[in-house]
Amino acid sequence: GENVEQHPSTLSVQEGDSAVIKCTYSDSASNYFPWYKQELGKRPQLIIDIRSNVGEKKDQRIAVTLNKTAKHFSLHITETQPEDSAVYFCAASMRIQGAQKLVFGQGTRLTINP
Amino acid sequence: DAEITQSPRHKITETGRQVTLACHQTWNHNNMFWYRQDLGHGLRLIHYSYGVHDTNKGEVSDGYSVSRSNTEDLPLTLESAASSQTSVYFCASSGQPYDGTQYFGPGTRLTVL
Repeated sequence: GENVEQHPSTLSVQEGDSAVIKCTYSDSASNYFPWYKQELGKRPQLIIDIRSNVGEKKDQRIAVTLNKTAKHFSLHITETQPEDSAVYFCAASMRIQGAQKLVFGQGTRLTINP
Repeated sequence: DAEITQSPRHKITETGRQVTLACHQTWNHNNMFWYRQDLGHGLRLIHYSYGVHDTNKGEVSDGYSVSRSNTEDLPLTLESAASSQTSVYFCASSGQPYDGTQYFGPGTRLTVL
């Protein structure tokens, strides 16, 4: 079925290093790809998104890249800081059973080690 | 400031009871969503609504229902609670149906004993 696969499920990096989280999607017509951050016990919040007419988008230390041909997109966090520790979710808009929906990946727990 | 709220924040109930979780938003968004969050499954869509009197099933809708009588509220009802419905439930709203920022509520932790 239509889905979004997210890897890795857990990621541990040293403070100051970069972190990369990857997602693949199945619907070639998908055109919207957001990333959400969820801190422990809190609600998910949008941190960056990209649309299919753009290959890359940056916002300070975070960036997202999209490869429509391969149907995958990635979140890049540079110069990681302790406050980056959280669960990150990717998502993709896709048509399921005749209706457009936003489908989330399973999440990546990112831990920044001091 | 506009916001989205959920109540209760925590609920413990027994198998077979009917439970209603409330969601209220002041963004004046037409689009509202209910998700459940379980370890290893991410956020799974239960039901969604694109406007007053519009409701649609998501990927895990069995055992749940919603109704939309006004723009601000989308209550989620568990008709006969089951232990498999123990989860954290998030409501969200958005200005776009599927390709815009979704603003999440604080969540409701539901335990079914």
